[in-house]
Amino acid sequence: QKEVEQNSGPLSVPEGAIASLNCTYSDRGSQSFFWYRQYSGKSPELIMSIYSNGDKEDGRFTAQLNKASQYVSLLIRDSQPSDSATYLCAVRMNTGFQKLVFGTGTRLLVSP
Amino acid sequence: NAGVTQTPKFRILKIGQSMTLQCTQDMNHNYMYWYRQDPGMGLKLIYYSVGAGITDKGEVPNGYNVSRSTTEDFPLRLELAAPSQTSVYFCASSRTSGQLNTGELFFGEGSRLTVL
Repeated sequence: QKEVEQNSGPLSVPEGAIASLNCTYSDRGSQSFFWYRQYSGKSPELIMSIYSNGDKEDGRFTAQLNKASQYVSLLIRDSQPSDSATYLCAVRMNTGFQKLVFGTGTRLLVSP
Repeated sequence: NAGVTQTPKFRILKIGQSMTLQCTQDMNHNYMYWYRQDPGMGLKLIYYSVGAGITDKGEVPNGYNVSRSTTEDFPLRLELAAPSQTSVYFCASSRTSGQLNTGELFFGEGSRLTVL
């Protein structure tokens, strides 16, 4: 089982819709979870972090965490073409130097 | 507002050549990392450092070496380049909260390396 799993997509949504991106992880002891956005040909940038069960909202983005199910999601409301990118889920492991393990990313396409 | 700076942005190497990818950060972060990203494969950790003078291997260290003589600089050395090292390389740094690695990484713009 991979440490962090994401559907590679692409996930296609029309402009204005809600995009839902999902991620599962294997280390039950993990406490910190992140979503990074990566535009084509660019470097990843942090957009959300979440540490507690439940929802965390930041503008049009909502991160959701369910530790019992080992599941993290990112909702993007009112999706815009500028949201088209690859979204990387990252989980900070609970051992060693607390390395960050990345999923392979989900490609999101928002059509006008 | 430099953040993390990597050079070069692009490089073509012949098999067996060596080179160094430079990385410097101006945020006074203790943690620094080198990742490689292959198409559809996500980010793989090559080496990391928790502070000046301290480095350790990540998931895919073979064929690479690093050093960390200062807080700011974390160069990645490729010895005897092979086609399997064709990839995009990202340097990153993260701040700590006390002794805890926050996991909030700041990335450089990347270095695209091709080995022919």
